Parts: sequence; C-alpha cells; structure tokens
Amino acid sequence: EVELVESGGGLVQPGGSLRLSCAASGFTFSSHAMTWVRQAPGKGLEWVSTASGSGISTYYADSVKGRFTISRDNSKNTLYLQMNSLRAEDTAVYYCRRGSGSYQWGQGTLVIVSS
Amino acid sequence: DIQMTQSPSSLSASVGDRVTITCRASQGISNDLAWFQQKPGKAPKSLIFAAFSLQSGVPSKFSGGGSGTDFTLTISSLQPEDFATYYCQQYNGYPLTFGGGTKVEIK
Repeated sequence: EVELVESGGGLVQPGGSLRLSCAASGFTFSSHAMTWVRQAPGKGLEWVSTASGSGISTYYADSVKGRFTISRDNSKNTLYLQMNSLRAEDTAVYYCRRGSGSYQWGQGTLVIVSS
Repeated sequence: DIQMTQSPSSLSASVGDRVTITCRASQGISNDLAWFQQKPGKAPKSLIFAAFSLQSGVPSKFSGGGSGTDFTLTISSLQPEDFATYYCQQYNGYPLTFGGGTKVEIK
C-alpha cells in the first residue's frame, strides 16, 4: 500500500527557513515523479514544485522560485522541500503527492510563518 | 500558464440528486485532467485521472468526461459522504494548475 508521511512543519519567523520531508513506502520511489502541493487556510490547492523520478528535472511555481528547493534521496525513499526566505503568505498545509495524473496524497504538514 | 475555471463555485443539492461540475481550461489540454475530493481538515483524495479514468477504489457513481478544454465531473446519486469540495487540475504542462474548487453542500 502506498504511504506518504510528511514531517518538518511548524512555526517559523518571516525570513526564516524550514525543511519538509516526505517519507514514501509501498512503491518503487525512484520510478515516480513527486510533487509538493500547498493549501493556505480557507483557500484552494496550489501546486508548489515537482521533481522527476531521478530528481534531475525540477519545476517550481513562480511564487516560490528562487526561495524553495525540491530534492529527493531515492536511496532513502524520501522527498524534501527546503524553504528559505519564508513569508507570511507561505503559511499553509503542505502535501506530498506521488504521480503524474494518477495521484496519491500524504496527510500534510502545517507550516506557519509568523512573528 | 493554463487557467482552470470551475463552475459553479458552490452548489446545494439533496441526497439522491445527480450533480455535475464543470472545469474549463484556457487552452487545450488533451485529456490531462484530474479530479479530487476534499473534506474539511482532510487531505485531498484522488477520484479521476486522464479525464475519465476512475482511481482504484473510487465508486462508480463518480464519472468524468470531456477532452480538450471542457470537462465534467458527475456524481450520479449524491450520498451524505459526498458532501465536500471538489477540485480539477490540469497536468498537461507546467505550472500545474488547479480550478478554484466547487463546494457541494446539503440542501
């Protein structure tokens, strides 16, 4: 069974950094693109970033480009999101997601950017 | 960027009703469209991919249709567990983009 477990969320001050992790199990991790999607409180879903199965190709939303870095360690079946220069508008639940079209979702981790 | 426009943004319906939600892309996306269901405080759940293919384990009362720019999600007979917010998303190109959501409420 596919399982995706996010961790690393929490409260951080504006301008600070945080690294999210997503531990994957139940499938061949390196064979699948992996994505971060976020949802601000009371708002809709927003795509953040995607990494190809190898991690060589990465894609970012304009709203996070230059501040966030997606990476993956296929030997550890883990996806990461390094978030720097955090802003209040980055406050959201961050979901890890597997696939390209046919998706499976993690349960999310909450990031709050506030002083 | 490809804009995804969902309609309606909300609807009220009764148990047993047939409900259809529409999603329109600002340019052709072939059938690279997925639908999700989200309940309050929960992660989204995948319902449909490739416009009309049912995700494993999703009941057949959900169906998707369309191609190109116009897509639909239909719930054939609304049940209490179906009251939720539904989102479409295109994966034809980056940036991936979502519709604004349709909240299905009890009448």
